[in-house]
Amino acid sequence: GDSVTQKEGLVTLTEGLPVMLNCTYQTIYSNAFLFWYVHYLNESPRLLLKSSTDNKRTEHQGFHATLHKSSSSFHLQKSSAQLSDSALYYCALSDFSGANTGKLTFGHGTILRVHP
Amino acid sequence: EAAVTQSPRNKVAVTGGKVTLSCNQTNNHNNMYWYRQDTGHGLRLIHYSYGAGSTEKGDIPDGYKASRPSQENFSLILELATPSQTSVYFCASGDAGGGSYEQYFGPGTRLTVL
Repeated sequence: GDSVTQKEGLVTLTEGLPVMLNCTYQTIYSNAFLFWYVHYLNESPRLLLKSSTDNKRTEHQGFHATLHKSSSSFHLQKSSAQLSDSALYYCALSDFSGANTGKLTFGHGTILRVHP
Repeated sequence: EAAVTQSPRNKVAVTGGKVTLSCNQTNNHNNMYWYRQDTGHGLRLIHYSYGAGSTEKGDIPDGYKASRPSQENFSLILELATPSQTSVYFCASGDAGGGSYEQYFGPGTRLTVL
């Protein structure tokens, strides 16, 4: 079945340094739709950005990611980390089995901690 | 703005007791989902629904039942709660139509089973 791997459980950074959170996935379907969700403490998880287009950069709120189907990757990046970026980040893959379930397969999540 | 609410927000239950977690959405989405969130496991799908009257098993359905009496409401039921079900539970709604697949999450319910 589908799977999403986020290698890092915890990433700790100094404010101002670049951010890169890794996400790779496995699916038998060629039309994969990938997502990054962010979960701030005491809030609901919410969509940060999404993409289904190969090799096209997607940006939102200073973060960006490019879906690379050749390497099955969708890494999340930001040029300069801010204290307010501290949160739990999930990479997710949509279900394209044809059943139109809207189901998402989530990775285990990466906690990003940004310190002064 | 998408709106998904959950009740209760916090719940302490005893082992063997029955627990019902409720979710309401005003997005008019067809699909609704129940997840649990645990450190090291991320968000795992328990049950989901395509619409009123439908429930489907997710990836970890054992020990849980679900009920979708209306478009707006989706409940998660633990008939015999166990300590291993201590977790944070999230409800979400979404529509797969149009290729969006975006899910809107509620604020979560923290359940402790003693």
